[in-house]
Amino acid sequence: RKEVEQDPGPFNVPEGATVAFNCTYSNSASQSFFWYRQDCRKEPKLLMSVYSSGNEDGRFTAQLNRASQYISLLIRDSKLSDSATYLCVVTINQAGTALIFGKGTTLSVSS
Amino acid sequence: DAGVIQSPRHEVTEMGQEVTLRCKPISGHNSLFWYRQTMMRGLELLIYFNNNVPIDDSGMPEDRFSAKMPNASFSTLKIQPSEPRDSAVYFCASRLAGGTGELFFGEGSRLTVL
Repeated sequence: RKEVEQDPGPFNVPEGATVAFNCTYSNSASQSFFWYRQDCRKEPKLLMSVYSSGNEDGRFTAQLNRASQYISLLIRDSKLSDSATYLCVVTINQAGTALIFGKGTTLSVSS
Repeated sequence: DAGVIQSPRHEVTEMGQEVTLRCKPISGHNSLFWYRQTMMRGLELLIYFNNNVPIDDSGMPEDRFSAKMPNASFSTLKIQPSEPRDSAVYFCASRLAGGTGELFFGEGSRLTVL
């Protein structure tokens, strides 16, 4: 089983749509969780951290379910500029020093 | 402030040649990571350093790969000899140990081995 698994997509949605991405991780000792965004031929950049109680940043909402080892990202009112690959990231050691990336979910928002 | 700086941005080389990729982390960051990205495998962690010391190199594919961090402001990833299957984008990233966990990536080095 891969350490971090994501549905690769692509997710093709119209502007204004709500879209959700899921991610599962295998290491129950994982301490920290993140969503990164990667634009085509660019480097990954942090989108948001994921906290146990769930957290929201504007149109973006992240949820964590430790019991199911599951992370989600919800994007409301999709914009053309949201088109990118979204990478789920978890730490695999208790020290939180090693970050493992999922292969990413590609989102394409069209007008 | 300067971000993570990688060089070269692009390299095309022939099989069997030595390749050296370079990275300058953000000043003050004491953790440095090397990742490799391909379409098939996504982003793979190769090795990471804390305070210039290699902590985990279990992701390094084989003995042809080596990484060093002689000081806090410089790291290299070397492939010798290179093979076509090494073709990928190699990212260097840095962060503050014990910080928020955010990794700051360089723009990557795109390697093509013919």
